[in-house]
Amino acid sequence: DVKVTQSSRYLVKRTGEKVFLECVQDMDHENMFWYRQDPGLGLRLIYFSYDVKMKEKGDIPEGYSVSREKKERFSLILESASTNQTSMYLCASSFEGLPKQYFGPGTRLTVT
Amino acid sequence: AQTVTQSQPEMSVQEAETVTLSCTYDTSESNYYLFWYKQPPSRQMILVIRQEAYKQQNATENRFSVNFQKAAKSFSLKISDSQLGDTAMYFCAFLHYGGSQGNLIFGKGTKLSVKP
Repeated sequence: DVKVTQSSRYLVKRTGEKVFLECVQDMDHENMFWYRQDPGLGLRLIYFSYDVKMKEKGDIPEGYSVSREKKERFSLILESASTNQTSMYLCASSFEGLPKQYFGPGTRLTVT
Repeated sequence: AQTVTQSQPEMSVQEAETVTLSCTYDTSESNYYLFWYKQPPSRQMILVIRQEAYKQQNATENRFSVNFQKAAKSFSLKISDSQLGDTAMYFCAFLHYGGSQGNLIFGKGTKLSVKP
């Protein structure tokens, strides 16, 4: 079974802190994604990566950056956390050219 | 740009009954996939069912089936013999086929409650 893991299920940070969210997949997937999930808004794509060191902006990249130094790991970085970044963050991965995405359990981030 | 619309923010159904969740989408593409994902409370998002746009036959997976109307750009999910474990958020999603990156476009979700 494909496994996508995220470093934390719950995280509480202060405004202005630098925050790292980690995602690891064990199926050698080329594609990895970071989504943000908010009530009434569904999932919105923040960034995605289709190869090591490659990244593309999604629909809402402002305030975020990403890093993919190894194929299995995709990090989401909040350079200076703000309260409007309080949300559920979901990581996903997929094979190149195949439609099915596999999701991690999510990290619920609260910025106070 | 593609959009996905789920017009029912919340629904409820009695155990063992049938419920249909609605989804419409807008695209100018001809090659695409449509999905229904399920997110149970505090649990991982999982794929329920998938439909390739070029296939006329509606996809089915056990108690889950879709009604895919390509001309109307409609993609509804029918859950038969509803079970308590079907309680979850359900997301309809669109994927343009052929894009190597494969990023999904999601609807806003429908919260389904199955009542005993």
